[in-house]
Amino acid sequence: EPEVTQTPSHQVTQMGQEVILRCVPISNHLYFYWYRQILGQKVEFLVSFYNNEISEKSEIFDDQFSVERPDGSNFTLKIRSTKLEDSAMYFCASGGRVVSTTEAFFGQGTRLTVV
Amino acid sequence: GQQLNQSPQSMFIQEGEDVSMNCTSSSIFNTWLWYKQDPGEGPVLLIALYKAGELTSNGRLTAQFGITRKDSFLNISASIPSDVGIYFCAGHLETSGSRLTFGEGTQLTVNP
Repeated sequence: EPEVTQTPSHQVTQMGQEVILRCVPISNHLYFYWYRQILGQKVEFLVSFYNNEISEKSEIFDDQFSVERPDGSNFTLKIRSTKLEDSAMYFCASGGRVVSTTEAFFGQGTRLTVV
Repeated sequence: GQQLNQSPQSMFIQEGEDVSMNCTSSSIFNTWLWYKQDPGEGPVLLIALYKAGELTSNGRLTAQFGITRKDSFLNISASIPSDVGIYFCAGHLETSGSRLTFGEGTQLTVNP
């Protein structure tokens, strides 16, 4: 069964460093998302991406964050200068086999620890 | 941000019992989705609902999209130990585009 895959599974980084989290969405999906989940809390929306551009972003997704779809398969989230409060599980998701937003299928997540 | 109130926060039940959890909001939703999350894993989609009043089953799971479009419930019948996990409701608000708004989650514990 097709699935969303994320790498790495765990990333430890120094405060102020840049990190890139990588995702391979399900191949025939049109919408791509990043969500995050701080330990013990609910899942929070960061950004959605459709037709090679950001379609929606939350207040969390400030200038330190960026997304890119560098080729036909990968979808990346970059955090330019990490802060301690960026420590969380980051989930990539994809959905929408037709031009509509329906289900979102999540990857296994990348646990980001900023020290 | 928009709030989804999910209840109960946690449940401790015996194997074989039925379980019910729900989500309510003051806002209108276009879709409702129910996810299960195991520790250290991503949310796994269980059921998706698209129309007010829709009742959908997936094995022992049944979920309904409330008529007012402001609520949804999930029932699990004849629970088994592997049902343990956190269950999240999520939905697409009428006023938002593609983002999913998640509830706080229901932690389910099943005692064998």
